[in-house]
Amino acid sequence: AQKVTQAQTEISVVEKEDVTLDCVYETRDTTYYLFWYKQPPSGELVFLIRRNSFDEQNEISGRYSWNFQKSTSSFNFTITASQVVDSAVYFCALRSPYGNNRLAFGKGNQVVVIP
Amino acid sequence: ETGVTQTPRHLVMGMTNKKSLKCEQHLGHNAMYWYKQSAKKPLELMFVYSLEERVENNSVPSRFSPECPNSSHLFLHLHTLQPEDSALYLCASSQGTGDFSYEQYFGPGTRLTVT
Repeated sequence: AQKVTQAQTEISVVEKEDVTLDCVYETRDTTYYLFWYKQPPSGELVFLIRRNSFDEQNEISGRYSWNFQKSTSSFNFTITASQVVDSAVYFCALRSPYGNNRLAFGKGNQVVVIP
Repeated sequence: ETGVTQTPRHLVMGMTNKKSLKCEQHLGHNAMYWYKQSAKKPLELMFVYSLEERVENNSVPSRFSPECPNSSHLFLHLHTLQPEDSALYLCASSQGTGDFSYEQYFGPGTRLTVT
């Protein structure tokens, strides 16, 4: 069974502060894929990143960075120097290589950036 | 612009009404999905279509009836809904559903309220 846990339900930060969102996953598969999506108030989920389980290299994209730790089954996401536009719900998701591209989502982290 | 559009954006319907949600993807993808997003719950996958064939029905009540006339369009026909069906319904598409993981691209959703 696939399971994703995002323990922090709502996080408030002051603009320009950094914020880290934790994602812990469970799977029995040796190969799997991890994703982060952003859901702004408009509703659509915006794809941010995909990570393959055999690639443990961390990644940075602008103010976003991701820390994949296979040993602790975590795939954490950090926003550096947060901005008001970063206010959204962020979802971590897990996919097995089997099945119909089914994603198991966490409950999401509501990030509120205060000006 | 994610390339996936949904109409209507908001819908209020009575329990005896029949309505349909429409999704269209402009990305040339072969797979489409319906998700339900309720407050405080993870996204729930409802249906998966691959090359216009339904490949997954995730124990969804029969009052929800999907239709995929071609790879660019997906409908969700609604009838005799219950108040607990009120939620955000999200459509997504991806290049495929095979072993290699494909990102799913989401539409803005239809906010459904059942009265």
